[in-house]
Amino acid sequence: KAGVTQTPRYLIKTRGQQVTLSCSPISGHRSVSWYQQTPGQGLQFLFEYFSETQRNKGNFPGRFSGRQFSNSRSEMNVSTLELGDSALYLCASSQTGSSGNTIYFGEGSWLTVV
Amino acid sequence: GENVEQHPSTLSVQEGDSAVIKCTYSDSASNYFPWYKQELGKRPQLIIDIRSNVGEKKDQRIAVTLNKTAKHFSLHITETQPEDSAVYFCAAGGNTPLVFGKGTRLSVIA
Repeated sequence: KAGVTQTPRYLIKTRGQQVTLSCSPISGHRSVSWYQQTPGQGLQFLFEYFSETQRNKGNFPGRFSGRQFSNSRSEMNVSTLELGDSALYLCASSQTGSSGNTIYFGEGSWLTVV
Repeated sequence: GENVEQHPSTLSVQEGDSAVIKCTYSDSASNYFPWYKQELGKRPQLIIDIRSNVGEKKDQRIAVTLNKTAKHFSLHITETQPEDSAVYFCAAGGNTPLVFGKGTRLSVIA
């Protein structure tokens, strides 16, 4: 069974631009969660989607948004990029939702904002 | 909301010694406590987890203990090996998405 797949793996963007990251969950998993990983803050929850609906949202500004498609694939978008958005963005999937259940991470998308 | 504190932030042990990482959580409704290992440049991978109806769980050299009354749980690695060197994250969750600790960088010195 294929794992969680994230694209692109690495990207460099300029301040003010926007970026879209993609995540394909494990086959059969309907929940996709997104996390931001930085050296100082660890893993911080962005949002979770289940059956195309946002189920939970973390404490991030509205510049961070996401969506989920009918095949459970998910995208997250960051608009008006800031230097502080440089981070590893991790997607994780689970069968029925991340609350109280095991989540499986992808390799992540490394975003550098210059 | 849930808050997870993890200690220590760095830990160095001699090969063959034991390593212990401790986490505390704040939300008494949390009932699921996984541990993830992240090697340099790789994804976090689940190594062991425990639910609130169990006090201890063991898998070969790795064990996790949970004290629900005190709201803390710990990861124990025995007979450490160089390949155990990585960053370890604890997490807590239940009715809400997992909240992670800030991680412990474990270095096993040969």
